[in-house]
Amino acid sequence: DVKVTQSSRYLVKRTGEKVFLECVQDMDHENMFWYRQDPGLGLRLIYFSYDVKMKEKGDIPEGYSVSREKKERFSLILESASTNQTSMYLCASNRDRGYEQYFGPGTRLTVT
Amino acid sequence: QKEVEQDPGPLSVPEGAIVSLNCTYSNSAFQYFMWYRQYSRKGPELLMYTYSSGNKEDGRFTAQVDKSSKYISLFIRDSQPSDSATYLCAMTRSGGSNYKLTFGKGTLLTVNP
Repeated sequence: DVKVTQSSRYLVKRTGEKVFLECVQDMDHENMFWYRQDPGLGLRLIYFSYDVKMKEKGDIPEGYSVSREKKERFSLILESASTNQTSMYLCASNRDRGYEQYFGPGTRLTVT
Repeated sequence: QKEVEQDPGPLSVPEGAIVSLNCTYSNSAFQYFMWYRQYSRKGPELLMYTYSSGNKEDGRFTAQVDKSSKYISLFIRDSQPSDSATYLCAMTRSGGSNYKLTFGKGTLLTVNP
């Protein structure tokens, strides 16, 4: 069974803090993705990675960075959290040449 | 024109009703079509996946793609309260970078017992 896990379900951070969101998949998938989901805006792609240490910007990369040191793990980093980064963050993965993506349970981040 | 349009609802139906959820799209290059179900405060779960035009059935769920009209549908027969969720359509083109899924914004469905 496909499994994507995220390190926290709920997180509360203060403005200016550095925030790490972790995602792990156990399907040996090549591709991993970070999205944020906001009411009225839907799902928006922040970054994705198609291989270890490889990454590409999505539609809204500003204010975020990512790290992929191991195939199964993809981290999203908020260098200096701001209130407009309060959102639901979703990690997903898929295999190379696959189209359907499999999502984790999400991390609801609140920045105060 | 947005690439994918999906009526946000909300849609409220009685238990046992047939539900029709729809998306329209503008990019004729889209070939792969997916439906996701997302329960409140959870991640999206892949429900159905189809390639090109035609129908695909899985239990009470039927996915339909009409590429000539750029229109996709998800039908739910004998709807249950447990079907209450937000339904997202997603699609992508074939070939090239297989990373870019384009999502609809989701339709909120409530099935009342």
